[in-house]
Parts: sequence; structure tokens; C-alpha cells
Amino acid sequence: EAEVAQSPRYKITEKSQAVAFWCDPISGHATLYWYRQILGQGPELLVQFQDESVVDDSQLPKDRFSAERLKGVDSTLKIQPAELGDSAMYLCASSLRPLPGQGYNEQFFGPGTRLTVL
Amino acid sequence: QKEVEQNSGPLSVPEGAIASLNCTYSDRGSQSFFWYRQYSGKSPELIMSIYSNGDKEDGRFTAQLNKASQYVSLLIRDSQPSDSATYLCAVTTNAGKSTFGDGTTLTVKP
Repeated sequence: EAEVAQSPRYKITEKSQAVAFWCDPISGHATLYWYRQILGQGPELLVQFQDESVVDDSQLPKDRFSAERLKGVDSTLKIQPAELGDSAMYLCASSLRPLPGQGYNEQFFGPGTRLTVL
Repeated sequence: QKEVEQNSGPLSVPEGAIASLNCTYSDRGSQSFFWYRQYSGKSPELIMSIYSNGDKEDGRFTAQLNKASQYVSLLIRDSQPSDSATYLCAVTTNAGKSTFGDGTTLTVKP
């Protein structure tokens, strides 16, 4: 069964350091999402790609976060410098390209990366 | 007001009972609705999607959508201890923006 791959699964870093997360979506999924989930809350969308283009990054803290999906397949999310408040689960999800007039497709999530900033 | 609101719970039901989970949303442009289950420490997994008003059944799960009331619910029949998890409601607008609720934690007691 096709799955979304993420690495690393766990990351411990010190504040002010740089961290990077990688995501490989399900083959054929044009839409890729990065979410941040704080314990006790729902996932919060950070950035959404359609192929290689960003379609929504309104909630991405652009002073320290960056995301790219250069060839429209896998993606990297970077934080530099990391802050204590960045400790959370970072989730990647993917979905099929939406068809006009048919609504948006289900998102499938990877296992996530648990980030701890000390 | 949050864009997607769920009963904070926790919700506790006995094994075999029906669990009812509710979700309201604020954006009338929403057109795609999803329920996800999330076990502690794991990532969300899709349970059901619903796009049209009415009921949609899949095994022990039934999703209900009422766009006029901006309300979507999930019923779990014959609840099992393995259903104990946090249930997330997700809404996608016609512009493709996805928003999740904060989830309702369900405990099914044997």
C-alpha cells in the first residue's frame, strides 16, 4: 500500500540551531501539505503545494521557516533558527489533484516528525 | 470563533454503544468534509469523507452533513475499545483551504 514517507521520525535540537524535515508523498499525488500539531490541538496548515508551486503559506512563519518542492515530488521544510516554541509534531500529507467541481480529495498523512527544541 | 469547532470532550461510552461526534464550521464556501482518527503519538488516519448533504455509511461509521446548518457529525455504532482515540474533523473550502478542529477524545469502556 502506498504511503507518505517522512524523515527523521524524531529530532532533538537546541534552540538557534537549524533543522530540516523531508517528505515523499504518495506517487501521483500533486498536492502536498505541511502541518504543525501541538499536543492537544488539531493540525495547523503551514504550507500547501500544488505540484512545485506554493498555493497557501499564509500561516508559515517566514522569518524562520522555509519550504520547497523543487521538482513537484518530495519536499523539505526547514526551520532556522529553531525556538523553544517550535517543539511539536510536524506532519506531511498528500492528496490527488482536485478535479474541477468535484471537491477536494482526502489527505493521507505520513508518520510525522516529533521535534523537541531544548 | 474557530473556523472548525468540535466538542472538546472527553467523550466516554460503554462498549457496544453508539458514539456521536459533532463538528461545526464557519465558512459557507466549504465543500469537502473529512473525519480522521488519531491514536496517541500517531498521525491522523482517514475514516470517512463526505461531500453532499445527508448520510454516508461505511461499516460501523456514518457521517452526516448538513450544509445549511454548517454541521457535520460522525456516528460510531457498536463502539469497541479499539475505537478509543481522538477524532478530528477537517473542512476544505472551495478555494482549497483545509482547516482541522482540535478533536474530540473518545474513550470506549469495556
